[in-house]
Amino acid sequence: AQKVTQAQTEISVVEKEDVTLDCVYETRDTTYYLFWYKQPPSGELVFLIRRNSFDEQNEISGRYSWNFQKSTSSFNFTITASQVVDSAVYFCALTVAETSGSRLTFGEGTQLTVNP
Amino acid sequence: NAGVTQTPKFRVLKTGQSMTLLCAQDMNHEYMYWYRQDPGMGLRLIHYSVGEGTTAKGEVPDGYNVSRLKKQNFLLGLESAAPSQTSVYFCASSFWLIRAGTEAFFGQGTRLTVV
Repeated sequence: AQKVTQAQTEISVVEKEDVTLDCVYETRDTTYYLFWYKQPPSGELVFLIRRNSFDEQNEISGRYSWNFQKSTSSFNFTITASQVVDSAVYFCALTVAETSGSRLTFGEGTQLTVNP
Repeated sequence: NAGVTQTPKFRVLKTGQSMTLLCAQDMNHEYMYWYRQDPGMGLRLIHYSVGEGTTAKGEVPDGYNVSRLKKQNFLLGLESAAPSQTSVYFCASSFWLIRAGTEAFFGQGTRLTVV
């Protein structure tokens, strides 16, 4: 069975601060995929990134960056110079190759509030 | 550019009533899913389908039934609604082979309240 843990239930920062959202996962499979989704106040789920277990390169996309470390089973997400529009619930999720498709195991979510 | 469309967006049911949530996708995806989102629990998989005419149970299937008569549609039914089924329901779809480089696409969600 797979498990994803997002220990930070809520984070509150002031605009322009950097913030890191933690994600720890558990799986016995050697091939798996990790995801981050954003859920803004409007409620939809917005895909941010997918990373497979064989690719440990960190990725940067504008103000967003992701740090994947297999040694600690973590896939952390950092927002640099946060903005009010970053306020949302962020979900980390996992799927394993044997299931095919995208049956996702989600973490509990982290509510990020960026104050002006 | 519809993607995944859920109907309805909101619904209030009385305990014991039945209803069907409709999900439609126009991306020719093989896989479709129903999740429920509850505070502090993330999203949990209810049922999923790997193709037309097939369905399978997810993590929390009790109290729900599903059908996939057409590839583009995935229906979620509540036969006798209970207050514990108050939740936000999300439908999603994806290709069968995740290595092809695509993620799951989600609908806008249905907020269901059972009183």
